[in-house]
Amino acid sequence: DQQVKQNSPSLSVQEGRISILNCDYTNSMFDYFLWYKKYPAEGPTFLISISSIKDKNEDGRFTVFLNKSAKHLSLHIVPSQPGDSAVYFCAASGGSGATNKLIFGTGTLLAVQP
Amino acid sequence: NAGVTQTPKFQVLKTGQSMTLQCAQDMNHEYMSWYRQDPGMGLRLIHYSVGAGITDQGEVPNGYNVSRSTTEDFPLRLLSAAPSQTSVYFCASSYSRPSGNTIYFGEGSWLTVV
Repeated sequence: DQQVKQNSPSLSVQEGRISILNCDYTNSMFDYFLWYKKYPAEGPTFLISISSIKDKNEDGRFTVFLNKSAKHLSLHIVPSQPGDSAVYFCAASGGSGATNKLIFGTGTLLAVQP
Repeated sequence: NAGVTQTPKFQVLKTGQSMTLQCAQDMNHEYMSWYRQDPGMGLRLIHYSVGAGITDQGEVPNGYNVSRSTTEDFPLRLLSAAPSQTSVYFCASSYSRPSGNTIYFGEGSWLTVV
């Protein structure tokens, strides 16, 4: 049972346009959400996070939106650059037990075309 | 600026062999964990530790053993390797505080079991 879902395996965007990556979750106990970026043959690197007490967090070209009622979050990249081409993982934590435990989505491969 | 260091980077094992993946972090993080990444599955938690002397199981613990004798090190042991354990393994660490932690990953260990 996938608690964190990324329904789009891939996304292709033109350089300079907006990239929107989506993530849905089922566990209402999740209270912290993170986005990681992963290049081939490297470990995931932290990109941006949001706590459930907020609905938006912005860091430069990256903005994460959280809609708790819909159990949905999205990552916006504006403007997209070729170097943003990577796999993006959505992850969630919280609830009972160790709150550091991350549950990951299956990832979305973003390709930014020059 | 080492962060999370994993060794070896690549390993080929024969079915039934045992081996240990090493993980070390120099950030004085209490929390350490092991994930595996498989195609179409995202990253799945194998085992985790909230401090020296304390370990617990994650989503997919079978066939793996861990120990945490020091804050810095968290080795992952494959007791009797099986082809199903062919995967990319990532070690991660963070501070062990209530939800809101950023988890940092190592660069990965590619394991093939033949």
